[in-house]
Amino acid sequence: GAVVSQHPSRVICKSGTSVKIECRSLDFQATTMFWYRQFPKQSLMLMATSNEGSKATYEQGVEKDKFLINHASLTLSTLTVTSAHPEDSSFYICSASGDRGNTEAFFGQGTRLTVV
Amino acid sequence: AQSVTQLDSHVSVSEGTPVLLRCNYSSSYSPSLFWYVQHPNKGLQLLLKYTSAATLVKGINGFEAEFKKSETSFHLTKPSAHMSDAAEYFCVVSLNSGTYKYIFGTGTRLKVLA
Repeated sequence: GAVVSQHPSRVICKSGTSVKIECRSLDFQATTMFWYRQFPKQSLMLMATSNEGSKATYEQGVEKDKFLINHASLTLSTLTVTSAHPEDSSFYICSASGDRGNTEAFFGQGTRLTVV
Repeated sequence: AQSVTQLDSHVSVSEGTPVLLRCNYSSSYSPSLFWYVQHPNKGLQLLLKYTSAATLVKGINGFEAEFKKSETSFHLTKPSAHMSDAAEYFCVVSLNSGTYKYIFGTGTRLKVLA
């Protein structure tokens, strides 16, 4: 399958600071990327969909000013958690789909964010 | 609207016995269905997928699932559980036909007893 790399895998930040998470498609062009959030011992919830060169589409209840998504190229999407608070601590994971002609999206390894 | 229901939040089996993880879906069109596994503090690994081809889908590590339209089910099975199968399993349906926007089930935690 195609490779999606997510970085960093773990990050700890102080309350009030911003954190950027990168999602890269390494061997294909990702026209669409998705960002999910997973609370401890819970399922994954879709946060937003980003298409290259367009504004992201956020799911209901997700603050777009809090979670900034940029998809400026066909191989990179970023999620920035702005003014992070402890309740933003979570596991964030991206997936990507594109020009591989496959029937699935490909997931990154996820990022464990802890806000202290 | 599309949705997916995993009927069991926890399943315990003895090593060497069969595994059955249940999943029912709701979809207004012919869905794409997936099973993913997540080991503790790890990302997601695709076990298998159904995309309107053969209804019995074989995946990795001996897992398979059968798409039953009449029952709107996509249960995951394995003939003989291994200790390394202990993990969280997610049944997933694609939100819209032709997209990769997924709806995840609530997950089933599989415990394998020695």
